[in-house]
Order: sequence, then structure tokens, then C-alpha cells
Amino acid sequence: AQSVTQLDSHVSVSEGTPVLLRCNYSSSYSPSLFWYVQHPNKGLQLLLKYTSAATLVKGINGFEAEFKKSETSFHLTKPSAHMSDAAEYFCVVSVSGGYQKVTFGTGTKLQVIP
Amino acid sequence: DAGVTQSPTHLIKTRGQQVTLRCSPKSGHDTVSWYQQALGQGPQFIFQYYEEEERQRGNFPDRFSGHQFPNYSSELNVNALLLGDSALYLCASSPMFGTQYFGPGTRLTVL
Repeated sequence: AQSVTQLDSHVSVSEGTPVLLRCNYSSSYSPSLFWYVQHPNKGLQLLLKYTSAATLVKGINGFEAEFKKSETSFHLTKPSAHMSDAAEYFCVVSVSGGYQKVTFGTGTKLQVIP
Repeated sequence: DAGVTQSPTHLIKTRGQQVTLRCSPKSGHDTVSWYQQALGQGPQFIFQYYEEEERQRGNFPDRFSGHQFPNYSSELNVNALLLGDSALYLCASSPMFGTQYFGPGTRLTVL
């Protein structure tokens, strides 16, 4: 069984300040982990992915995430928020055995205050 | 590379009608997954197609069915539409067991 918990449904930051979006996961197998971003009325865009290589993963638009197995976490960070970062962010776990099982978190809405 | 494309972008139907949504995968991808995203919620997995067969299915009734063609494109069909079927329908393509890339979605409104 696998699950994903996004610890905050809403996060509000001021423009230029750091962003931290928290994600914890559970999985019986070695997972792949992803962060996707969704702007209003749009599809999902892949920000970054962890697939058992380097634990610190760099993505697009200055985002990065660190895979911490001991804490079962995969938090998303960005040093300085931009107005265009305002969107909904989804943490996703994927496990591949006989088939691929993909589980989405419930999402975190990021608000950036000018 | 055109990425994942979906059609139509918007659709309005009435209760009881049937609808067909279409998805063309990213070049080189052979697996297509469909998701339903209700307003304010995260995507919910409907089913996944590989080699023209439904490989796995989420918790959706038989009113939801699909098809994958030899060129890997896919259709999602919903019969006997209910008001609760109103949602953004997302298609994702990937290599089998690989990273999923999403299309822009089809917004379905059922009146």
C-alpha cells in the first residue's frame, strides 16, 4: 500500500521569501516521487522527480526537493518566491511492480503576496 | 514535440447523455492514463491503457470506459452522464512504468 500526505492545504508567502511545501509518503516498495504544479484551469506540469539517483533533486523554475528516506519526506523548496509561482502543487508517489500505481496528494495551494 | 494533446478543451452536456474525450500521447510514449479532477480536489485515477488493453482501473463505475488505438492515442467514454461527472478530465502519457506527462485537460460540464 502507498499513500501521500501533503501537510498544508494552503501556504502563503511574500514575494522574494522562501517557499516550503511539505510532503510525506509511505510505500512498501522503493518509490519514485514527483512534484507537479497546476495553474488555474490548466493541466499539470512536471516540476521535478526523484527516481533513486541523487537525493537532492533540482527542477524547473528554481524549485528543488530533497528525498529523506529516514523521514519519509520529499519537501519542495524554492529560495525566493515569485508572483508566477502562485498555483496548486501536488506531491505524487509512483511504485512499479507488475503494474504502475500512482497516488496523488491532496494538493497545496500556494499564495504569493506582493 | 507537441506534448500530450486533448480534445475538446471544453464540453457541455446534459444528464443522461454520453461523451467521448480524446487524447494523443507524447511522442515515444505507449501508455495512457486518465484522471478525473473535480473542482478543488486532486486528480483521481480512472484507468490506464497499454498495448490497447485496460491494465488497471480506479474506483469508477462501468459507465466509464476507454479505448487505446494502435497509434497509442486513447478515448475516454462516459455514458449516462450525471451532474457529479462535471470535472476536468486529464490524460497523462508515459513510457510503461515511466514519468507521466499531462495534457491540458478537457473541462466537462453536465447540466
